[in-house]
Amino acid sequence: AQKITQTQPGMFVQEKEAVTLDCTYDTSDPSYGLFWYKQPSSGEMIFLIYQGSYDQQNATEGRYSLNFQKARKSANLVISASQLGDSAMYFCAMYPSGAGSYQLTFGKGTKLSVIP
Amino acid sequence: GAVVSQHPSRVICKSGTSVKIECRSLDFQATTMFWYRQFPKQSLMLMATSNEGSKATYEQGVEKDKFLINHASLTLSTLTVTSAHPEDSSFYICSGKDSRYLETQYFGPGTRLLVL
Repeated sequence: AQKITQTQPGMFVQEKEAVTLDCTYDTSDPSYGLFWYKQPSSGEMIFLIYQGSYDQQNATEGRYSLNFQKARKSANLVISASQLGDSAMYFCAMYPSGAGSYQLTFGKGTKLSVIP
Repeated sequence: GAVVSQHPSRVICKSGTSVKIECRSLDFQATTMFWYRQFPKQSLMLMATSNEGSKATYEQGVEKDKFLINHASLTLSTLTVTSAHPEDSSFYICSGKDSRYLETQYFGPGTRLLVL
């Protein structure tokens, strides 16, 4: 079974600064996918970024980048140039890649607060 | 990203009544849809996996007779909470997996259910 651990229940960052949200995972599957989702107070889950376990390069999407360290089983999210609208809950998630189950396992989340 | 809608966004009902929540993929075909439940300040918990044209697969501890799922088309899945009780009050979120892109799930905006 997979497990996702997010050790930071809450984080603060100054506007325009960069912030790293931690995520470690545990799985016995050789092939898997890692995701980050943002959940603002409205409740919707917004897909941010995806990293496949066999991807050679770290994923990037605009101001979001995923610092993937396979040996350490970590998939930290880096948000550059934080904006006030980045204040939200952030969830790390994973599932086994390839054919079969696409069920996501979520971490407990990190609440990010951006300070003006 | 792909768009998923949910209806209603918010519902209040009396104990003992049934509530139907619709989840629609608006611009893609979702061969698989997932239903999650989220309690306040907690992470998402998968309730069931719904495949178009077949019976849903429920997670351990989720009563299939209480949470009826129908995935009649590639763009619509419904969750019916039968004989709702106050403990069923929660935030219900669906997601759809785009058949073109194997990895990513796109989430609906969620439905807040309050059972009085």
